[in-house]
Amino acid sequence: DAGITQSPRHKVTETGTPVTLRCHQTENHRYMYWYRQDPGHGLRLIHYSYGVKDTDKGEVSDGYSVSRSKTEDFLLTLESATSSQTSVYFCAISESTRTSSYEQYFGPGTRLTVT
Amino acid sequence: AQSVTQLDSQVPVFEEAPVELRCNYSSSVSVYLFWYVQYPNQGLQLLLKYLSGSTLVKGINGFEAEFNKSQTSFHLRKPSVHISDTAEYFCAVSRRGNAGNMLTFGGGTRLMVKP
Repeated sequence: DAGITQSPRHKVTETGTPVTLRCHQTENHRYMYWYRQDPGHGLRLIHYSYGVKDTDKGEVSDGYSVSRSKTEDFLLTLESATSSQTSVYFCAISESTRTSSYEQYFGPGTRLTVT
Repeated sequence: AQSVTQLDSQVPVFEEAPVELRCNYSSSVSVYLFWYVQYPNQGLQLLLKYLSGSTLVKGINGFEAEFNKSQTSFHLRKPSVHISDTAEYFCAVSRRGNAGNMLTFGGGTRLMVKP
């Protein structure tokens, strides 16, 4: 299994509070991604990173921000959580396209409930 | 932009019966194709991928998929399912040559294997 951990694994928070989810990898992969998973929608990309301090928006980025200060860590922040952000959040990693077999490897997920 | 449609949200099947999970995609450029499996309360795991070459791709756990360019399909099949195959299955597409190995996912198909 790819060395990807997510913390926390479960979190319940109140509307309006800030929340930060952490993704940590031990594979030294260049690319990191944050997705949310909701029934019927599959996985939708929130933000991704293509290197330290290099990030970009995905399909559903409103209300989320990210940071990557080290290769191994990718943080997802909900500045002011809303009930619509209740979801399961997955982190994924992928290697550079120069050496890649093109797939992404996924972490175990974080279940976030906003009350 | 790409899109992926998984035609069935749920597929019930009896143990030892064959199964096909359907996936169609749309893209104006050549693509790579993937099937991922998600067991309950876990992250996604790669089942198989099509990058080039033979259109019949074999993956783990006895699954296979066939790439059909003319029909823009990548259906997943297994000749005889087991109870342990009960899971959610996601089809995903990646545009060839895209930096960052970006994936677009379908909405998922829940395979329910009954004894």
